[in-house]
Amino acid sequence: DVKVTQSSRYLVKRTGEKVFLECVQDMDHENMFWYRQDPGLGLRLIYFSYDVKMKEKGDIPEGYSVSREKKERFSLILESASTNQTSMYLCASSLYADRETQYFGPGTRLLVL
Amino acid sequence: GQSLEQPSEVTAVEGAIVQINCTYQTSGFYGLSWYQQHDGGAPTFLSYNGLDGLEETGRFSSFLSRSDSYGYLLLQELQMKDSASYFCAVAPGSGYSTLTFGKGTMLLVSP
Repeated sequence: DVKVTQSSRYLVKRTGEKVFLECVQDMDHENMFWYRQDPGLGLRLIYFSYDVKMKEKGDIPEGYSVSREKKERFSLILESASTNQTSMYLCASSLYADRETQYFGPGTRLLVL
Repeated sequence: GQSLEQPSEVTAVEGAIVQINCTYQTSGFYGLSWYQQHDGGAPTFLSYNGLDGLEETGRFSSFLSRSDSYGYLLLQELQMKDSASYFCAVAPGSGYSTLTFGKGTMLLVSP
C-alpha cells in the first residue's frame, strides 16, 4: 500500500525559529513536492524535487528551503518562521512530475506565534 | 502561467447528480486530474483525462474538452460521504513542470 508520512500532524513554533518538516515516501518515487494549503487559495507549490539532491522552485518559494539527501526523504525548512507561514503543509510524491498521480501525506498544520 | 477556475461551493442532496466544472488557461497542456479532500484529510486522486471524452470510475466520471479548455467531474448517486472539497489540476506537460491545482470546490451533500 502506498504511503507518504509526515513527521508531525500539528506543530507550534515561535517567530524567528528554524522549523523542519520532514516527509518520507515508501514508493521509490522520483518526484516529491511540498505544498501549502490556505483557505480559499487551494494548494500552492513551494518546492519540488525530481531526484536526489535536485530541487526546483515552485510558485511560492520565498522564506523556504528544501533538502533531499535520500530518495525517500524530502525536508522543508523554514529558516526563520514568520506568522504568515502559519498554514497546512502537504507533502506529495509521484512517479512522474506532472502527469502521474500524486500521493499526499496527511499534512502538518503549523502555527507560528 | 496557468490558471484554473472552478466554483467555490456546490450543494446537492443525497441520491442526486452533481457536476463540478473546471476551466483552465495554460501555456501547455498534458492532462486534467481531479482530487478529493475530506475535511482534515489528505487529497486523494480520483481521475485523470489525457484525451477528450468521458472517463468513468464507478459513481464518478470525468470529462475533458481540449478545444474548450474545459472539464468536469460528475458525481452520481450522491452519498453523504461525498461531502468534501474537489480540486481540478492541470499538467502543463513541458520539462520539469508540475501539476497546478485549482482553488477547490466544496461539495455539501444534505439528506
